[in-house]
Amino acid sequence: DAGVTQSPTHLIKTRGQQVTLRCSPKSGHDTVSWYQQALGQGPQFIFQYYEEEERQRGNFPDRFSGHQFPNYSSELNVNALLLGDSALYLCASSGGQGVGGYTFGSGTRLTVV
Amino acid sequence: AQTVTQSQPEMSVQEAETVTLSCTYDTSENNYYLFWYKQPPSRQMILVIRQEAYKQQNATENRFSVNFQKAAKSFSLKISDSQLGDTAMYFCASSPPLIQGAQKLVFGQGTRLTINP
Repeated sequence: DAGVTQSPTHLIKTRGQQVTLRCSPKSGHDTVSWYQQALGQGPQFIFQYYEEEERQRGNFPDRFSGHQFPNYSSELNVNALLLGDSALYLCASSGGQGVGGYTFGSGTRLTVV
Repeated sequence: AQTVTQSQPEMSVQEAETVTLSCTYDTSENNYYLFWYKQPPSRQMILVIRQEAYKQQNATENRFSVNFQKAAKSFSLKISDSQLGDTAMYFCASSPPLIQGAQKLVFGQGTRLTINP
């Protein structure tokens, strides 16, 4: 049973560019959440997708957007990259009424130069 | 808004010793969930233990147990008989009650735990 799969694992982008990160949830999970983890910090909630709609959003600018597909996979898009966007981006999936049933991927390390 | 605070940036103990990681939180919710996650160098967040705030009994999972003090808003993690594989970053997190599916997690800053041979 595959867990959460994220791609790519590492990425280097130039300031001002756009980036798309991808996440495939654990089998049976229908909700995908994205987190940003700066170096030495705890993860910060970006947003959550359920039934192809954004259900909750954290305190992130509109440069951060997402999408969820009918197969529950998800993308995180970041436009006009800033140096401060350099971080580990974690995807977590969950499903049904599972309490604490979050399964995390290993993340995408984004470096903006 | 929920906040989570971990006041110990780093801890180090010898293998087989017992170690306690501290966490305090603040929330206006009457019911909520608390978690401890482990993040090894592989970067994947792994759930260690969870506690539902309305349950009085402290959660335990093998060598891992919590001391949940609801009035004090404290949620510490005790690791007994520590092993080298316990070396990792540990994050305390809280989540408001579930309405439909999962809600967001609010994480603390983390504690880097090193188990020495």
